[in-house]
Amino acid sequence: EPEVTQTPSHQVTQMGQEVILRCVPISNHLYFYWYRQILGQKVEFLVSFYNNEISEKSEIFDDQFSVERPDGSNFTLKIRSTKLEDSAMYFCASSLRQGARNEQFFGPGTRLTVL
Amino acid sequence: QQQVKQSPQSLIVQKGGISIINCAYENTAFDYFPWYQQFPGKGPALLIAIRPDVSEKKEGRFTISFNKSAKQFSLHIMDSQPGDSATYFCAASGSYRTSYGKLTFGQGTILTVHP
Repeated sequence: EPEVTQTPSHQVTQMGQEVILRCVPISNHLYFYWYRQILGQKVEFLVSFYNNEISEKSEIFDDQFSVERPDGSNFTLKIRSTKLEDSAMYFCASSLRQGARNEQFFGPGTRLTVL
Repeated sequence: QQQVKQSPQSLIVQKGGISIINCAYENTAFDYFPWYQQFPGKGPALLIAIRPDVSEKKEGRFTISFNKSAKQFSLHIMDSQPGDSATYFCAASGSYRTSYGKLTFGQGTILTVHP
């Protein structure tokens, strides 16, 4: 069964450093998403991406964040200068079609710890 | 207005019992209401979803009840099994006209089913 994969599973970084979280969506999917979950809190939407452009982003997704699909398989989330409050589990998701009623498949997540 | 409120935070049920998790929303533009199941170390996985034009949807032991006028929906797990022990998230999303698939999640419910 096809699945979304994410690397690394755990990333530890120092405050102010740049991190890149990587995702490989399901191969025929066209729509890509990042969500995050701070420990003990709910899953929060960060950004959606289609056709090499951001479709929608939340207020969390400020200038410190960027996304890219550098090749035909990877989808990355970059945090330019990490803050302590960026510590969270980051989930990548993908879907085949656009819109609200299309199932999003989630990866296992990357746990980011900022020290 | 974008919030989805979920209760209870945690739930303990005996094997064979019924587990009930409730969610409420405010945004009337939401038109898709999925439930996600998450096991430790895994990303959320779609369990069952409903649209507001029906009041109930059943898939095996899992049933969503939807009350459009009250803006509430709930997940019922019949004959709960220890293997159902997981975190459950309700979510909501807008139509394809207003949303690129952004999911708004509830806070999550940790379900424990005792054998």
